[in-house]
Amino acid sequence: DADVTQTPRNRITKTGKRIMLECSQTKGHDRMYWYRQDPGLGLRLIYYSFDVKDINKGEISDGYSVSRQAQAKFSLSLESAIPNQTALYFCATSPWGAGTDTQYFGPGTRLTVL
Amino acid sequence: QKEVEQDPGPLSVPEGAIVSLNCTYSNSAFQYFMWYRQYSRKGPELLMYTYSSGNKEDGRFTAQVDKSSKYISLFIRDSQPSDSATYLCAMSAEGGYSTLTFGKGTMLLVSP
Repeated sequence: DADVTQTPRNRITKTGKRIMLECSQTKGHDRMYWYRQDPGLGLRLIYYSFDVKDINKGEISDGYSVSRQAQAKFSLSLESAIPNQTALYFCATSPWGAGTDTQYFGPGTRLTVL
Repeated sequence: QKEVEQDPGPLSVPEGAIVSLNCTYSNSAFQYFMWYRQYSRKGPELLMYTYSSGNKEDGRFTAQVDKSSKYISLFIRDSQPSDSATYLCAMSAEGGYSTLTFGKGTMLLVSP
């Protein structure tokens, strides 16, 4: 079974709809991240959480919100989806501690906003 | 100047060639360097992790860091069609206490 899972894997929605993307991990890592990936723009950090009570904005948090329900679960919400939020979204995890910046990615969610 | 620069490619090589992928960066505080491989429609997967300057080898892959030039490289020997993917460099300053800064990725195509 995959260590980092994302649901749904594909989603088509309409402008103005609220949607939630979910991430679960069985790696036991404290830190979790949400990225979006766009052609030509690479991976951009939306939000990250270093533990259950910690939430931090990344470089492109406007229009997004997150919830860390448990160590293993981190959800990303689009309150009112717009077409330029069409992208590939990745969740990632990493363990806590010195020299452990390596991140482990989920399979991604392909989101299309019409 | 962007923090991390990476040529987007595509880089096309024949099977068996030696491939060199590179990133330059501007933040001299970066000490931890990673290479990720991303197949089409998949999540990035960690390929190599190095700390500070020097070389690290793992099978056909060698990661090289030159902090004085702010330049990192990934070499792939005896390249295979299965190496066709996008390769992203990533780096951080505080080794476990900061977020990663990614390059935009280089697409590699290895033809049989």
